[in-house]
Amino acid sequence: QQQVKQSPQSLIVQKGGISIINCAYENTAFDYFPWYQQFPGKGPALLIAIRPDVSEKKEGRFTISFNKSAKQFSLHIMDSQPGDSATYFCAAASLYNTDKLIFGTGTRLQVFP
Amino acid sequence: NAGVTQTPKFQVLKTGQSMTLQCAQDMNHEYMSWYRQDPGMGLRLIHYSVGAGITDQGEVPNGYNVSRSTTEDFPLRLLSAAPSQTSVYFCASSYSRREHTGELFFGEGSRLTVL
Repeated sequence: QQQVKQSPQSLIVQKGGISIINCAYENTAFDYFPWYQQFPGKGPALLIAIRPDVSEKKEGRFTISFNKSAKQFSLHIMDSQPGDSATYFCAAASLYNTDKLIFGTGTRLQVFP
Repeated sequence: NAGVTQTPKFQVLKTGQSMTLQCAQDMNHEYMSWYRQDPGMGLRLIHYSVGAGITDQGEVPNGYNVSRSTTEDFPLRLLSAAPSQTSVYFCASSYSRREHTGELFFGEGSRLTVL
């Protein structure tokens, strides 16, 4: 059973456009939602994270939007750049056990010049 | 600091062979874990450890063993490799969950093929 559902599986965006990746979760005990970025041949690295006391968190061109009632959260990449081309994973965990992250299936983003 | 170091980076095994994937971290992290990454399935937790001498199972533990004799090292053992264990394996570490924001630091992965 996939506890964190991620879509789309792949995404192609023109340089300067907005990339949007969506995730949905089922376990209401989840209260920590990070996004990880992975470049080919590398391990994932934390990009940005949100906790449910806020509905949005922004770091540079990257924004997480969080909808607690719908149990959904999304990553928006503004002004997408070719260097953003990577695989993005959403994840979820309980704040009391943030190390036991449950990951989504990943989205491969390609940004073309 | 080297961070999280995994060896080997690549390995080919025959069905039934055994091997150990090594993982070492130099950040004095209490927590360490192993994930496997398969196409379309994301990252799935195999085993994890919250400190030396303590290990526990994740989502997909069958066919794998772990031990944690030191804070730095967390090896993953395949006792009898099967083709279904063909995957990319990632080791990760973090500070104790009581003190940090939950960030996992990953190694660069070990690609295993079982024929």
